[in-house]
Amino acid sequence: QVTLKESGPVLVKPTETLTLTCTVSGFSLSKARMGVSWIRQPPGKALEWLAHIFSNDEKSYSTSLKSRLTISKDTSKSQVVLTMTNMDFVDTATYYCARVPEWLDAFDIWGQGTMVTVSS
Amino acid sequence: SYVLTQSPSVSVAPGKTARITCGGNNIGSKSVHWYQQKPGQAPVLVIFYDSDRPSGIPERFSGSNSGSTATLTITRVEAGDEADYYCQVWGTSGDRPGVFGGGTKLTVL
Repeated sequence: QVTLKESGPVLVKPTETLTLTCTVSGFSLSKARMGVSWIRQPPGKALEWLAHIFSNDEKSYSTSLKSRLTISKDTSKSQVVLTMTNMDFVDTATYYCARVPEWLDAFDIWGQGTMVTVSS
Repeated sequence: SYVLTQSPSVSVAPGKTARITCGGNNIGSKSVHWYQQKPGQAPVLVIFYDSDRPSGIPERFSGSNSGSTATLTITRVEAGDEADYYCQVWGTSGDRPGVFGGGTKLTVL
């Protein structure tokens, strides 16, 4: 069974750096043609794609957030990590990780999401 | 950056057909994926590559894509189909960013 699970702080302060971890099971991050994206959703609002890491370790970032985001993976731990610097109130959202088989090119399996609130 | 436009809401009576559209510049040249999201849950892929259904998704769900509009069609709508629906493509700028539409709330009357 393929699963993804997000973990990280529930609450961060403005200007702090957020670090989120996506732990996957049922598939290997080192397997060819399997990538993982991070996507967020502010309360009551639409989905927003943030970043993607490909099986070959290439990375892709949202144009508007590129300067604040870093995505990486540790295949030995089956984890994908997203860091977002200089957090602001508007970054309050549920953050999801999702798998992207490169032959499918779509988010076929999603994590349950983790809610992050930015508050002083 | 590439923009996808969805109507905020669509209402349909049970047993009828719902059509949810997703507009974008020459979207017909892209592969469109559709996701269903029920309250408090993560999104679920319901259509990929314009019109293919993942296993487990009912045949009532279908998709099409041509010109400037992609469409998700749900026939014989049921109460359980009430959800938010999002279209998604990959952009063509350097980083090939993911792009979501603004979402459409499907209400079953």
